[in-house]
Amino acid sequence: NAGVTQTPKFQVLKTGQSMTLQCAQDMNHEYMSWYRQDPGMGLRLIHYSVGAGITDQGEVPNGYNVSRSTTEDFPLRLLSAAPSQTSVYFCASTGTTTYEQYFGPGTRLTVT
Amino acid sequence: RKEVEQDPGPFNVPEGATVAFNCTYSNSASQSFFWYRQDCRKEPKLLMSVYSSGNEDGRFTAQLNRASQYISLLIRDSKLSDSATYLCVAVTDSWGKLQFGAGTQVVVTP
Repeated sequence: NAGVTQTPKFQVLKTGQSMTLQCAQDMNHEYMSWYRQDPGMGLRLIHYSVGAGITDQGEVPNGYNVSRSTTEDFPLRLLSAAPSQTSVYFCASTGTTTYEQYFGPGTRLTVT
Repeated sequence: RKEVEQDPGPFNVPEGATVAFNCTYSNSASQSFFWYRQDCRKEPKLLMSVYSSGNEDGRFTAQLNRASQYISLLIRDSKLSDSATYLCVAVTDSWGKLQFGAGTQVVVTP
C-alpha cells in the first residue's frame, strides 16, 4: 500500500518557469490537500479538494492552480515560478469519516 | 489570532523524563483533534487521535479539555527518538479541513 506519493522529490526552477507537482493516493480518499511549509513555520493550506471535479482555495492560493479529474490524483501547478515559492510542498489525503490525514513525502522546490 | 496555537519550545528533556505540552484552539465547534509528529525535513505523520475521554498509546497520553479549549500531549520515559516537532491539529469544518498549529519542538538529551 503506497499511501500518498509525490513527484518529484526535488526541483530547481528559474523565475518565470512553470511546472506541475504530482500527487497520487491509493486509499480512495475523497479529500485531498496541498500545503507548503517554510523554514520555522507551520503548514499553510494552498488548495484542497473534496472530491473529483471539486476544488477550492486555501490560505495561500495565489500563484498556484489545481485540478482533480480523478479521485486518485491531485496535481498542483505553479503558473510562473517566483523565488517566494521556494518551499517544501506536501500533498495529503484525508479519511472521510476519521479525518485522519496522511501526507506524501514532500517536494522540495527552489526557485532561483 | 491563529485558530490553533502552540508553544514553539524547544522543550529540552533528559532521556527517561516526562514532558507535557498543550495546544489551544479557538473554534469551539471543532470536533476532532490529532497530534502529528514531524521529523526535520520529513512529512508529518499521525501520532494519535485525541478523544474526549482522553487516550493513551504506549508512552503517549493525549487529553482534550473542551471547557478550556485545549489539548495536551504527555510523553513518559522519553527516548532520544522522541526528538521531533509535535503538531497539534483541529478539524474545523464538515469536509475535514484541518487547522495545524505551528508545532512544539521537543529535544530529548542523553
